[in-house]
Amino acid sequence: DADVTQTPRNRITKTGKRIMLECSQTKGHDRMYWYRQDPGLGLRLIYYSFDVKDINKGEISDGYSVSRQAQAKFSLSLESAIPNQTALYFCATSHTGGQPQHFGDGTRLSIL
Amino acid sequence: RKEVEQDPGPFNVPEGATVAFNCTYSNSASQSFFWYRQDCRKEPKLLMSVYSSGNEDGRFTAQLNRASQYISLLIRDSKLSDSATYLCVVNQYNNNDMRFGAGTRLTVKP
Repeated sequence: DADVTQTPRNRITKTGKRIMLECSQTKGHDRMYWYRQDPGLGLRLIYYSFDVKDINKGEISDGYSVSRQAQAKFSLSLESAIPNQTALYFCATSHTGGQPQHFGDGTRLSIL
Repeated sequence: RKEVEQDPGPFNVPEGATVAFNCTYSNSASQSFFWYRQDCRKEPKLLMSVYSSGNEDGRFTAQLNRASQYISLLIRDSKLSDSATYLCVVNQYNNNDMRFGAGTRLTVKP
């Protein structure tokens, strides 16, 4: 199921580097989301977007930025990566609010 | 207090057993509820939505108790392939603020 595709799948980088994670979807959904998952904490929302002109902060947006380049594309940037941003990152889409979300395969990011 | 709480487990059960998980939520205005399944190092996948009247999908039954603010998932006749982490998800209607529980880990053994 490649309806929601994330790149890269794995990334190791150093503190202070700029990193971009990309997400594309073929589901035709307007709503897209970025989450991070840490052991014992569950998924936490970083940013979400209702459409190309709409960007909203989530629960933990500090240190991150996003860009919605098109309906099908939503990228997440870490301007200056720090070790506590080491986590598993997921992109997700949904048709409307309150509807189930569909996740990409995830990006495992390690910051040394 | 976390907004969505689950017993982290692990639950270790033999094949064929019946197992139940509960999940409590703190926001009484929550409107949508879901159970997701997540395999190790994989993405969460929707298992089932949870409806007010309760709903069943094969061996899986989901219940909602609004008065006590919890949802439950019952798995009957457990299979080895049911081994995974089960995530409880709670959402306010028309709000994109999905809150995920940390998950309950299930291992089904031969």
